[in-house]
Amino acid sequence: KNEVEQSPQNLTAQEGEFITINCSYSVGISALHWLQQHPGGGIVSLFMLSSGKKKHGRLIATINIQEKHSSLHITASHPRDSAVYICAVRYPRDDKIIFGKGTRLHILP
Amino acid sequence: NAGVTQTPKFRVLKTGQSMTLLCAQDMNHEYMYWYRQDPGMGLRLIHYSVGEGTTAKGEVPDGYNVSRLKKQNFLLGLESAAPSQTSVYFCASRFRDRGFVSYNEQFFGPGTRLTVL
Repeated sequence: KNEVEQSPQNLTAQEGEFITINCSYSVGISALHWLQQHPGGGIVSLFMLSSGKKKHGRLIATINIQEKHSSLHITASHPRDSAVYICAVRYPRDDKIIFGKGTRLHILP
Repeated sequence: NAGVTQTPKFRVLKTGQSMTLLCAQDMNHEYMYWYRQDPGMGLRLIHYSVGEGTTAKGEVPDGYNVSRLKKQNFLLGLESAAPSQTSVYFCASRFRDRGFVSYNEQFFGPGTRLTVL
């Protein structure tokens, strides 16, 4: 049983749409990591957050510790945003990370 | 800086053969990790290291061994490859967290695609 659940698994949208990807986890964590995996396979770190909200360009990540939930938003989506977005969590006093299965996003021009 | 590099990028093995995957990082990171990624599953931790000379098992360690003789290198060995080890292998590294409010992100290598026939 995966302790990190992402939704949706797949998402297709038109260019310009506002995108939301969700991540839920089952127990208290110390930090949550959003990653992007390009079609070529490379994995890039987007955000690492333990509370509140972070913004970088058109990307916004939020986390609600009490509800054990995080969202990744993309504003004014573009075909180059097409990728797999991965949520990962770190537990307190633990050096390991548990990954979600990813959300495959496809933005149509 | 090259960041995190992995060697080789691709490899095809026959069942029973052995090989070593090399991960190198030039960011002076204390922590290093080996993951495997399979279709329909999240990244799964094989082994990790919190410093030179130390290693620990992750979620799926069976069939793999690791060594961290130098801080910048983390080697993943397959002693007798099996078809179930066909996967994409990712190495990652990060700084040790300092304090309760500073959580350091992982940096990933480009991956090694391994096929075992």
